[in-house]
Amino acid sequence: DAKTTQPTSMDCAEGRAANLPCNHSTISGNEYVYWYRQIHSQGPQYIIHGLKNNETNEMASLIITEDRKSSTLILPHATLRDTAVYYCIVRANRDDKIIFGKGTRLHILP
Amino acid sequence: SAVISQKPSRDICQRGTSLTIQCQVDSQVTMMFWYRQQPGQSLTLIATANQGSEATYESGFVIDKFPISRPNLTFSTLTVSNMSPEDSSIYLCSVGGETGRNTEAFFGQGTRLTVV
Repeated sequence: DAKTTQPTSMDCAEGRAANLPCNHSTISGNEYVYWYRQIHSQGPQYIIHGLKNNETNEMASLIITEDRKSSTLILPHATLRDTAVYYCIVRANRDDKIIFGKGTRLHILP
Repeated sequence: SAVISQKPSRDICQRGTSLTIQCQVDSQVTMMFWYRQQPGQSLTLIATANQGSEATYESGFVIDKFPISRPNLTFSTLTVSNMSPEDSSIYLCSVGGETGRNTEAFFGQGTRLTVV
């Protein structure tokens, strides 16, 4: 079973920051938080991952709480192309299989 | 990252028949996985395709229904056997991430299967 809990859906206005929360209260000390997204009719795409420090790349930022029980994916300037289902995943390392939860369906509104 | 070619991209099949889906990667990879995505649902892991040995199936999936081959480090097939309309789904091939190569897992575009 997935070890994360995410809201079913969210809306965000185009050009604003989209903040997607994820709860992972049972995360183990050696487990990373990964985010993937699936744009309609495509395979999932890797976005970002982190262990305990905040991370940023060209796609997004990942904020992990100090107790590591929750995190937030931030898309700083959402565009219509960011409309997708976003999956928060917990796993020990990148070699592990990925078990998907239900994800958050993000709608970017024009 | 490597490129995944999955064939066919879509198919419409008669119930009771079987379909074999191919997944070709343009470089050698250690781990390959097969997923199913039923309409409006999340991805469900079917099995890990092990090179040179039998696949490792997740709970609820069996080899007789979803036989998998992995003859080398760049290729795998998934067969959906004795199909019924409930097998109508998108089937996705995935290449696992590798710590040694600092690569993340990535996915093919999927095979959209409709069983009539």
